[in-house]
Amino acid sequence: AQTVTQSQPEMSVQEAETVTLSCTYDTSESDYYLFWYKQPPSRQMILVIRQEAYKQQNATENRFSVNFQKAAKSFSLKISDSQLGDAAMYFCACGADGLTFGKGTHLIIQP
Amino acid sequence: GAGVSQSPSNKVTEKGKDVELRCDPISGHTALYWYRQSLGQGLEFLIYFQGNSAPDKSGLPSDRFSAERTGGSVSTLTIQRTQQEDSAVYLCASSQDPTENTEAFFGQGTRLTVV
Repeated sequence: AQTVTQSQPEMSVQEAETVTLSCTYDTSESDYYLFWYKQPPSRQMILVIRQEAYKQQNATENRFSVNFQKAAKSFSLKISDSQLGDAAMYFCACGADGLTFGKGTHLIIQP
Repeated sequence: GAGVSQSPSNKVTEKGKDVELRCDPISGHTALYWYRQSLGQGLEFLIYFQGNSAPDKSGLPSDRFSAERTGGSVSTLTIQRTQQEDSAVYLCASSQDPTENTEAFFGQGTRLTVV
């Protein structure tokens, strides 16, 4: 079983600035993986980025990158050069056998 | 189809009625999940099917909720004697193999409104 905690219900950032969304997790599994999903108002969940726990190198996808601290069980998402289209709910998830999601962070982009 | 399909997309029902929500996962995906999302809230895990294993029902909120997955493919979530607090978006997701680093693909959800 695993738990995922997102301590920021809402974050706001100016367009073109950088924002970091926090996520901590707990799992008894030794082999697991971590995800960030985005849910825009359309309701469709979209995978943003994924990280294998055995990899030390932080995953990067264009403007999105993670800071994976395995010992601290922390998996934060950094969004650089924020764009209006980044406004959405962001969910952190942890999985080994099944997926557990955090409660989400509502990201607001200020023009 | 190419993605996870859920039907209906919207459902309005009267309190006390039973409802069935359907999920067609991506062909070949062995894992299937149901989540509930109340307005502006996070994802609440309901139930998880993996292959032929017994489903993980630990998230079902009451015995009014049940789910089946026939033939390892289509799943139906049934809510009996619906209550107003059951109003939410019900999301279904599937993945190829949850023990691997594979993405879960989500349907568009069913918005259930109990009046």
